[in-house]
Amino acid sequence: EVQLVESGGGLVQPGGSLRLSCAASGFVVNDNFMSWVRQAPGKGLEWVSLIYSGGTTYYADSVKGRFSISRHNPKNTLYLQMNSLRSDDTAVYYCTGYTVTGPLWGQGTLVTVSS
Amino acid sequence: DIQMTQSPSSLSASVGDRVTITCQASQDISKYLNWYQQKPGKAPKVLIYDASNLETGVPSRFSGSGSGTDFTFTISSLQPEDIATYYCQQYDNLLSFGGGTKVEIK
Repeated sequence: EVQLVESGGGLVQPGGSLRLSCAASGFVVNDNFMSWVRQAPGKGLEWVSLIYSGGTTYYADSVKGRFSISRHNPKNTLYLQMNSLRSDDTAVYYCTGYTVTGPLWGQGTLVTVSS
Repeated sequence: DIQMTQSPSSLSASVGDRVTITCQASQDISKYLNWYQQKPGKAPKVLIYDASNLETGVPSRFSGSGSGTDFTFTISSLQPEDIATYYCQQYDNLLSFGGGTKVEIK
């Protein structure tokens, strides 16, 4: 079965750090362009970061300099390292992959930034 | 950055009605547009990819069309289980989403 499974969300204080993971099965992370998308409570979908198959990375202005996207080939896993977290980073974070047969989404992981 | 203008932001229709949602890109995105359905508390579900391709397992009452800058998503006969928020997304240049359309039953 082709799927993406996120983990690593939780409650963190402002200024803290968190690393999200996205484990892929039936799908090779390295061969496709992958992204992180988030959704704040009651809001729409917001693109956060992406990595193309060649390794080039991009970030939304709202997270540039604080978040870092990476992938680990042997584990077929995508990561999002989030530093200097702020209250407006509170959201459900989704891992997504884009293939020739359409996009894939994980179930999401909730990140809450609060003291 | 490519801006996606989705309309309407909400609509109310009767069961059996034809429902149409539009999405306009601020520049040419070819066919690189997806449509999603999201129900409360759930992850978005892809319905249409590459503007007009129906995702496997999705009912045929859902369809998409368009290319370049103007795209249309249609539900040919609205069903009660179609109550949800729908989003368009471009992936021609980075990623961006439309603001969403909340569909309700009249």
